[in-house]
Amino acid sequence: EIVLTQSPGTLSLSPGERATLSCRASQSVSSSYLAWYQQKPGQVPRLLIYRASSRATGIPDRFSGSGSGTDFTLTISRLEPEDFAVYYCQQYGSSPPRNTFGQGTRLEIK
Amino acid sequence: EVQLVESGGGLVQPGGSLRLSCAASRFTFSSYWMHWVRQAPGKGLVWVSHINSDGSSTNYADSVKGRFTISRDNAKNTLYLQMNSLRGEDTAVYYCARGVPYFDSWGQGTLVTVSS
Repeated sequence: EIVLTQSPGTLSLSPGERATLSCRASQSVSSSYLAWYQQKPGQVPRLLIYRASSRATGIPDRFSGSGSGTDFTLTISRLEPEDFAVYYCQQYGSSPPRNTFGQGTRLEIK
Repeated sequence: EVQLVESGGGLVQPGGSLRLSCAASRFTFSSYWMHWVRQAPGKGLVWVSHINSDGSSTNYADSVKGRFTISRDNAKNTLYLQMNSLRGEDTAVYYCARGVPYFDSWGQGTLVTVSS
């Protein structure tokens, strides 16, 4: 079973800075099956990025995803106050059919 | 806009059972895979189970296999999760979510608390 490890656990940055979040898989993951979510306190998770690099509907272009194989990255080019949240990567594996989340990266205001 | 509304959560004793429901609307429910994802208080997201669009195929996380059963009624646009032999570690907010291989819509969640 594929394990997703996100780093760092917590990232402290200021508004306007660039954020780089990492998601590493224990085995190769199809880019088609890698997604990123944002969850703010008390809120439901929201899909940000699917297929590793495609932005979901309504997601600002300051959010971008990249990567392949075992290493994937979520980049937020210029942090806005509303971007401080927890971010999760997620993969779908077909053998056996399972879904896995990373443990999350907390992005906090410095 | 897609709507997913969970219900059925509550307080249950260890070893007890609970059945969660997720009422879907504003999309063609029978065309989508559906999932249950849970989140223990202060913890991360954990996938629990999924079911394909016609209900013929299901899968479970190892932690719930043999205790939980996912099902759906496409005529009623409703997803279910039957939870038996509940344990303290099953305490969480349970979300239903739509889609494969990623989750593009989520319900608001229902809280399940397993405690004596």
